[in-house]
Amino acid sequence: DAGVTQSPTHLIKTRGQHVTLRCSPISGHKSVSWYQQVLGQGPQFIFQYYEKEERGRGNFPDRFSARQFPNYSSELNVNALLLGDSALYLCASSSRIIGGGNSPLHFGNGTRLTVT
Amino acid sequence: RKEVEQDPGPFNVPEGATVAFNCTYSNSASQSFFWYRQDCRKEPKLLMSVYSSGNEDGRFTAQLNRASQYISLLIRDSKLSDSATYLCVVNMRGSGGGADGLTFGKGTHLIIQP
Repeated sequence: DAGVTQSPTHLIKTRGQHVTLRCSPISGHKSVSWYQQVLGQGPQFIFQYYEKEERGRGNFPDRFSARQFPNYSSELNVNALLLGDSALYLCASSSRIIGGGNSPLHFGNGTRLTVT
Repeated sequence: RKEVEQDPGPFNVPEGATVAFNCTYSNSASQSFFWYRQDCRKEPKLLMSVYSSGNEDGRFTAQLNRASQYISLLIRDSKLSDSATYLCVVNMRGSGGGADGLTFGKGTHLIIQP
């Protein structure tokens, strides 16, 4: 069984541009979450989607948006990129909604975004 | 006060030694707890869930103290391959009952020396 897959693995963008990151969850998992990890910090929660609906949002500006498709894959979009958006963006899937008990996350390898 | 706090280390420990880390959390309503392991430039991977009664998985033991709001991880007979960053993770249910994701600490960096 394939794990969580993310694309692309690396990306370089310039300030002001827009980026779309993609994620496919583990087969059978209906929950997808997005996290941002800046060097030296732990991952920070951005969004959670469950059954194609947004179920949670972290403390990120409106430049960040996401969606989940009928096949449970997901996209994270970031508009008007800033230098501070440079980070590792992690997608994680779970069999249940986070908050519904002991639901560990299974992470993908991440997309490393560099904004210049 | 940060939501999940860990000593960043690094902890330099000789191979074969026992090492323990603690992590404190601020939200007393937190429901579930985990330790994740993250190798350099890799994604975090679940090491173990932490249960109220404490639990053990081989050389690893996790404990939860709800009264003092901390969790701990003990590694016995440490191996070179245990060198990694250990992330303390807490599921803090939001005040509106929404799904707020998991809250990660900054991680504790462990270096096992031969």
